[in-house]
Amino acid sequence: DQQVKQNSPSLSVQEGRISILNCDYTNSMFDYFLWYKKYPAEGPTFLISISSIKDKNEDGRFTVFLNKSAKHLSLHIVPSQPGDSAVYFCAASAGNNNDMRFGAGTRLTVKP
Amino acid sequence: NAGVTQTPKFRILKIGQSMTLQCTQDMNHNYMYWYRQDPGMGLKLIYYSVGAGITDKGEVPNGYNVSRSTTEDFPLRLELAAPSQTSVYFCASTRISGNRETQYFGPGTRLLVL
Repeated sequence: DQQVKQNSPSLSVQEGRISILNCDYTNSMFDYFLWYKKYPAEGPTFLISISSIKDKNEDGRFTVFLNKSAKHLSLHIVPSQPGDSAVYFCAASAGNNNDMRFGAGTRLTVKP
Repeated sequence: NAGVTQTPKFRILKIGQSMTLQCTQDMNHNYMYWYRQDPGMGLKLIYYSVGAGITDKGEVPNGYNVSRSTTEDFPLRLELAAPSQTSVYFCASTRISGNRETQYFGPGTRLLVL
């Protein structure tokens, strides 16, 4: 049961442009959402999160938007840089991290 | 701080063999987790621990065992390896920040069962 879905396995953008990574979820009990970034041969690293009481959270070049009615969140990276090339996972939890569900990931490639 | 460390980085097992994946964190985190990531899939929780002496099952616990005798260590045991356990295994630990938690992941162990 894939409760968190990232329907785009890959995304390619030009350096300096905006990258938009999307994530959909099915469980209405999810109240906390996170984005992780993963480089090859490394573990995922936390990037940004958002609570369900907000619809936007910004941290430098990274902004996460949450649309609860559509059960959709997105990660915007602007401007995109070649160092942003990685796999991005979205994750969601309801109450605590003991039941966190991850999407399958989107591989972002930022071309110079 | 070394953060979360995992050994080995890569291992090949024969069907029916056993092995222990090691995980250690030096951040004094109470919560630790084991995930597996299959190709094209997200991470799935195998087991977790909320403190020394306490462990509990996650989403996909079958075929695995864990122990948590110390705060630092959280080994994952495979008793009878099966091809379905071919995966990349990630250990994580949690820092509590504000109202919610942020997980720190190790670099992963790639396991191939033939």
